[in-house]
Amino acid sequence: DAKTTQPNSMESNEEEPVHLPCNHSTISGTDYIHWYRQLPSQGPEYVIHGLTSNVNNRMASLAIAEDRKSSTLILHRATLRDAAVYYCIRRTGTASKLTFGTGTRLQVTL
Amino acid sequence: ETGVTQSPTHLIKTRGQQVTLRCSSQSGHNTVSWYQQALGQGPQFIFQYYREEENGRGNFPPRFSGLQFPNYSSELNVNALELDDSALYLCASSLGGSPLGTNNDKYFGPGTPLTEL
Repeated sequence: DAKTTQPNSMESNEEEPVHLPCNHSTISGTDYIHWYRQLPSQGPEYVIHGLTSNVNNRMASLAIAEDRKSSTLILHRATLRDAAVYYCIRRTGTASKLTFGTGTRLQVTL
Repeated sequence: ETGVTQSPTHLIKTRGQQVTLRCSSQSGHNTVSWYQQALGQGPQFIFQYYREEENGRGNFPPRFSGLQFPNYSSELNVNALELDDSALYLCASSLGGSPLGTNNDKYFGPGTPLTEL
């Protein structure tokens, strides 16, 4: 079971930080956490991934709970271009497929 | 470096027909996977090809078939179209054969929307 749980939608003001939560309480020790986002009328786009430690890249930060049962994607300063559906995905073992849920639709307002 | 491209840009078909969708992978990538995305849903994995061999398949019937060519481009074929097949079809490429979590991230194309009348 590669299930993750995310809120259906969230709202943020522009230039404010956004914390997108994800619950993956049945995660196994070798599962990576990946985040992808899908902007309107586009294919999904890789955002970030991690295993145990917190991760940072130019797009976002990923904070993984110590027990690994949840994680949070952090957008430090949301812009209108960050409005998208954000998917939190467990990637199991050596399986290459991505198992998407319904994601969190992020709305960013001025 | 060219990104993932898909053709056609859109497709309109009727029930019972057959369709072929095409995908050109990102330069240097040897793995292509296909996903179906119904309206309002997340993408669902159809199958994946690594170096011209299918190496993973989701819960889709045999009328969904594919090919990967020596240049790593790929085709998705759907026979005997049904109304439920109306969806956005996404192709993603990646560099397979590397350890999970490194250089294995997937790059998606813009998708081909399939509409059935």
